[in-house]
Amino acid sequence: KAGVTQTPRYLIKTRGQQVTLSCSPISGHRSVSWYQQTPGQGLQFLFEYFSETQRNKGNFPGRFSGRQFSNSRSEMNVSTLELGDSALYLCASSLAAGGIEQFFGPGTRLTVL
Amino acid sequence: QQQVKQSPQSLIVQKGGIPIINCAYENTAFDYFPWYQQFPGKGPALLIAIRPDVSEKKEGRFTISFNKSAKQFSLHIMDSQPGDSATYFCAASKGNDMRFGAGTRLTVKP
Repeated sequence: KAGVTQTPRYLIKTRGQQVTLSCSPISGHRSVSWYQQTPGQGLQFLFEYFSETQRNKGNFPGRFSGRQFSNSRSEMNVSTLELGDSALYLCASSLAAGGIEQFFGPGTRLTVL
Repeated sequence: QQQVKQSPQSLIVQKGGIPIINCAYENTAFDYFPWYQQFPGKGPALLIAIRPDVSEKKEGRFTISFNKSAKQFSLHIMDSQPGDSATYFCAASKGNDMRFGAGTRLTVKP
């Protein structure tokens, strides 16, 4: 069974631009969570989607948004990029909403210049 | 807000040593405590996890010790190998609300 895939793996943007990251969960998994990982703040929860609905949201500004499609694939969007948005963005999938066993993808490394 | 405190930040041991990584949590509602292992360029991978109704869980060379009254848990790696060199994260969760520790960079020297 294929693992969680994320595209693109690397991305370079400039301040003010917007970016969309994509995540395909493990086949059969219906919950997708997004995390931001930085050296200073560690792993921080962004949001979780299940059945195309956002179930939970972390403490991030409204510039960070996401959505989930009927096939459970998810996208995350960051608008008006800031230098501090440079991070590794990780997607994790689990079988059900609130699924405790989460499987992480390799992440998308976003660099904002 | 840091609800899970992890220490040490980094750790160097010799091959065969037993590194111990400690975590403390604040929220008594947490009911699932996983440990993740992350290699450079990869996402975190679930290593081992424990529920608060047991005090210890062992899987291969990895052992979690859990102290519910102290709200602390730790990871022990027996007979550590250079291939165990990675960053280890503890976490605590209630449902889909998972909080991570800051991570411990472990180096196992040959």
